[in-house]
Amino acid sequence: SQQGEEDPQALSIQEGENATMNCSYKTSINNLQWYRQNSGRGLVHLILIRSNEREKHSGRLRVTLDTSKKSSSLLITASRAADTASYFCATLNSGYSTLTFGKGTMLLVSP
Amino acid sequence: EAGVTQFPSHSVIEKGQTVTLRCDPISGHDNLYWYRRVMGKEIKFLLHFVKESKQDESGMPNNRFLAERTGGTYSTLKVQPAELEDSGVYFCASSQVTPWTSGSLKETQYFGPGTRLLVL
Repeated sequence: SQQGEEDPQALSIQEGENATMNCSYKTSINNLQWYRQNSGRGLVHLILIRSNEREKHSGRLRVTLDTSKKSSSLLITASRAADTASYFCATLNSGYSTLTFGKGTMLLVSP
Repeated sequence: EAGVTQFPSHSVIEKGQTVTLRCDPISGHDNLYWYRRVMGKEIKFLLHFVKESKQDESGMPNNRFLAERTGGTYSTLKVQPAELEDSGVYFCASSQVTPWTSGSLKETQYFGPGTRLLVL
């Protein structure tokens, strides 16, 4: 089965810096979504990018998708301590209705 | 608008006991999904309801797991008897439409806070 994989597994930065996380996948997708999970809490949907889109913005978030390389990146600009969380990419595979998650990137933003 | 809610938030049981998890989706969402994350592993799909019907249950690990959605509203996931390897976080999600409905963002899956299950 397909498996999204995030890179890096962990990232530590200072407030104000940008954070970039990457995700790779293996099969044809309908869309790719990014979620955030704060410690002990549920998954919060951040952004969805469709397979025919290349870039999308939402506030301080910028997502790119390269279907030829089967990869996506999530950029968080001007990071804040409150951005500290685990970030997961999830793909909606073509022909299916369920999400396939990666293992996630743990982001630590220090004040 | 209320989000997806799950109950209980935590459950600690002994091996061999039964546990029932509940999920209340966002009102009006026909699609309901169960996922789980066992320690150190990825979040894995369990099953998908469309209204009261099981659309896809390919992710259910074995017959100790039983999911229901009577009336197409809330759903329950029962584990009987529970085993040690069932420990993890069980997430529920709902979406307004099925993902193959084109032209909108209504297929976004909104997740609940999860139920943390520990089997001793």
